[in-house]
Amino acid sequence: DVKVTQSSRYLVKRTGEKVFLECVQDMDHENMFWYRQDPGLGLRLIYFSYDVKMKEKGDIPEGYSVSREKKERFSLILESASTNQTSMYLCASSFVSNYGYTFGSGTRLTVV
Amino acid sequence: AQSVTQPDIHITVSEGASLELRCNYSYGATPYLFWYVQSPGQGLQLLLKYFSGDTLVQGIKGFEAEFKRSQSSFNLRKPSVHWSDAAEYFCAVGAPNDYKLSFGAGTTVTVRA
Repeated sequence: DVKVTQSSRYLVKRTGEKVFLECVQDMDHENMFWYRQDPGLGLRLIYFSYDVKMKEKGDIPEGYSVSREKKERFSLILESASTNQTSMYLCASSFVSNYGYTFGSGTRLTVV
Repeated sequence: AQSVTQPDIHITVSEGASLELRCNYSYGATPYLFWYVQSPGQGLQLLLKYFSGDTLVQGIKGFEAEFKRSQSSFNLRKPSVHWSDAAEYFCAVGAPNDYKLSFGAGTTVTVRA
């Protein structure tokens, strides 16, 4: 069964910490995405990558960075976590033809 | 850029009753359209998708959706809901030559016995 795996379901971090969220897919997808999900706001795109070492900013990139050193792995980095980054983070992947995403189960991050 | 509006934030439906969730999109040409479902604490699962052709699309779990170009809509329907259909539903729109999808804010469905 194909899948997108996010390394943590729940994380609690302190303000100012550097936080790494990991995502791995086993479908040989070219595209990978990081979204955050907040009540009433739906999903908002943070960053995406269409190839190894390539990245593009989404709609809300401030306070985040990403890394894609291998095709199957896409990491989201919170350089200095803040309480307003408390959210559900969803990773997704797709083929370049954009026939829909496959999502991971999400990481619920709480910054205290 | 494309965008999606889901007018209903929350819908309550009785088990066995029909369900319709509304989705309106904004895009200049024929978009790619998707419906996803998210059960509590889970990621999003693809229910169905529309790219071209027949405007009535069948999906998993007994759901269907109809693309209406004149109304810029892609409404999701199910003839008879089950308690397990209680979830949040997201409509999404994409462009044929773009990697990204734009999602609506979601509609939460509650199923009462």
